[in-house]
Formats: sequence, C-alpha cells, structure tokens
Amino acid sequence: GNSVTQMEGPVTLSEEAFLTINCTYTATGYPSLFWYVQYPGEGLQLLLKATKADDKGSNKGFEATYRKETTSFHLEKGSVQVSDSAVYFCALISGSARQLTFGSGTQLTVLP
Amino acid sequence: SAVISQKPSRDICQRGTSLTIQCQVDSQVTMMFWYRQQPGQSLTLIATANQGSEATYESGFVIDKFPISRPNLTFSTLTVSNMSPEDSSIYLCSVASESRNEQFFGPGTRLTVL
Repeated sequence: GNSVTQMEGPVTLSEEAFLTINCTYTATGYPSLFWYVQYPGEGLQLLLKATKADDKGSNKGFEATYRKETTSFHLEKGSVQVSDSAVYFCALISGSARQLTFGSGTQLTVLP
Repeated sequence: SAVISQKPSRDICQRGTSLTIQCQVDSQVTMMFWYRQQPGQSLTLIATANQGSEATYESGFVIDKFPISRPNLTFSTLTVSNMSPEDSSIYLCSVASESRNEQFFGPGTRLTVL
C-alpha cells in the first residue's frame, strides 16, 4: 500500500533560517506528490505539488523536488518568516482512486 | 480551484447525540471525500462520497456511525452518530480536481464531544 513518512517535529527556527522538512514515500505506480500547509485554526491549503520525477514544485519561497531514485519530496525554504509557522503535511495520490495519503505532519514554529 | 464551504464551523455536542456536517462546493465535482483529523494528528480518510450511490468507507469506518449523503455533484453531508468524546476531531471535506490531479479542502468542522 501507499505510505508517507515525514520528519518528526516540532521544528523551531529563528527568522531567516533555512528550512528542510524531510518526506519519503512508498507507493505503487507513479504517484503525484504534494505539500499541504495548515495555519493555526484553519483548514488545509495546497502549498505545492509535483507530478513526475525531477519536477520541482514551488510556491511562496518553498520548494520541493520529486526524487524518484530516493523516493523523496523534501520541503525547503531559504529564509523562513514568522508567518510560516504552521503544520506542514506531505501527501501523495497514486492510481485512479484519487485518495490522498498523508504523512504525520510537522509543526514548524519560527521565532522573531 | 474549487471554493468549498462547511457548516457548522464548530460545535460542542453531548455524548450520545448526532451531528450532521454539510459540505458545499461552488462547482460540480465527481469525487468528494471526508477526512477526520484527531487532535494533534494527521488526516485519515473516512470515506469517498459517491453521487447517486452509497459511500465507499475506509477500514475502521462504518456507515452506521458515519452515514454520508451525496444528493448531487455540489453537496454532501457527513453525520457523526451516537457521539462519544473519542469523536472529538476536525472533520474536513475535500474535492478532487479531475483535470489537475489535486485535492482542495474545506475549512473544516471542529467538533468537541463532552
């Protein structure tokens, strides 16, 4: 079956620090990969996605590259802001069912 | 992207009662899903809401506890029946974009059962 393994949190960084949140996956076929973000008290928002190997998804300064050889989709940002404090979920869709499989989520706190 | 609304946004309920959550989408979509997010946890798929037929439930979820309706392509309801404190969670509906292989989520319903 499909599974997503995310870096354990919580992660606490100072403003302008470099962020990496690791994500690896197991899937049948060729999955599409996603990062979702959940700000405090809100629902999930799609942050970025990649649909095939070597694709790079990017949005709001965040990036993630679909690495088929390492089955990874690590999230990075060069300089985090206090407003990036949120929970980040790695997820995948594989096959025709269109069901998302989520990782456990990583809580990020950015301090001023 | 689709605009999704949910009602209620939050509720506090007594043990043994039932709550029906509504999900409304601003466009017709084939695939709608219901997820549960327990406190501090990730999202777990409850079921796929199928228009015109019974919902498809994931392992560990049953129709008697979580009946789902899908009367048309823009609307669905999830009922949490005979609630207990363990049902305290955020319940989210989502829709799949058929052309772009993405899913979009509603704002969620935060349920507390006393």
